[in-house]
Amino acid sequence: EAQVTQNPRYLITVTGKKLTVTCSQNMNHEYMSWYRQDPGLGLRQIYYSMNVEVTDKGDVPEGYKVSRKEKRNFPLILESPSPNQTSLYFCASSRQATSVSYEQYFGPGTRLTVT
Amino acid sequence: AQSVAQPEDQVNVAEGNPLTVKCTYSVSGNPYLFWYVQYPNRGLQFLLKYITGDNLVKGSYGFEAEFNKSQTSFHLKKPSALVSDSALYFCAVRGNNNNDMRFGAGTRLTVKP
Repeated sequence: EAQVTQNPRYLITVTGKKLTVTCSQNMNHEYMSWYRQDPGLGLRQIYYSMNVEVTDKGDVPEGYKVSRKEKRNFPLILESPSPNQTSLYFCASSRQATSVSYEQYFGPGTRLTVT
Repeated sequence: AQSVAQPEDQVNVAEGNPLTVKCTYSVSGNPYLFWYVQYPNRGLQFLLKYITGDNLVKGSYGFEAEFNKSQTSFHLKKPSALVSDSALYFCAVRGNNNNDMRFGAGTRLTVKP
């Protein structure tokens, strides 16, 4: 089954404790992206990747890191989480990075709480 | 940079009535417009998109959307709403020179029996 998977689905952590949220897709998609969803703000893009070893900042990259060492994986790293990073996070992928016409496929989401 | 506005936080309709969820956009160059739906505790699912061609686009679950270039709008419509259509709907836009996608704040649709 074609899908985007994220782990963990739920995470409660404390301020300053480094964490990684994994994202993997099995569709051989070039483009991958991370979003955060906050009430009243919709989805805001954190980082995106056009292909392996090619990443770029989205609208709200502060406090986050990403890497794209393999085509299928795009982990999101919070080096020192803070309470304002409490949010619902989505990973997404789409088929071809150089074409803007392809829709994105979304993972199920990771609900992160930082206390 | 491109942007999207969904002017209504909430839309309520009765089952069987037509529904409209509004979206306006701003982008330089040609717009690539998308609608996604989010059911509770789920990720976003693609509904339909406008890339080029006919202004009326048909998508999943009986939804359609009308692209209006002069009004920079891309409203989502369905002739007869179902209770199961109740969800959060997002409009998104991507410019042809941009690699990022901008989403609206979302509109919560409630269809009452």
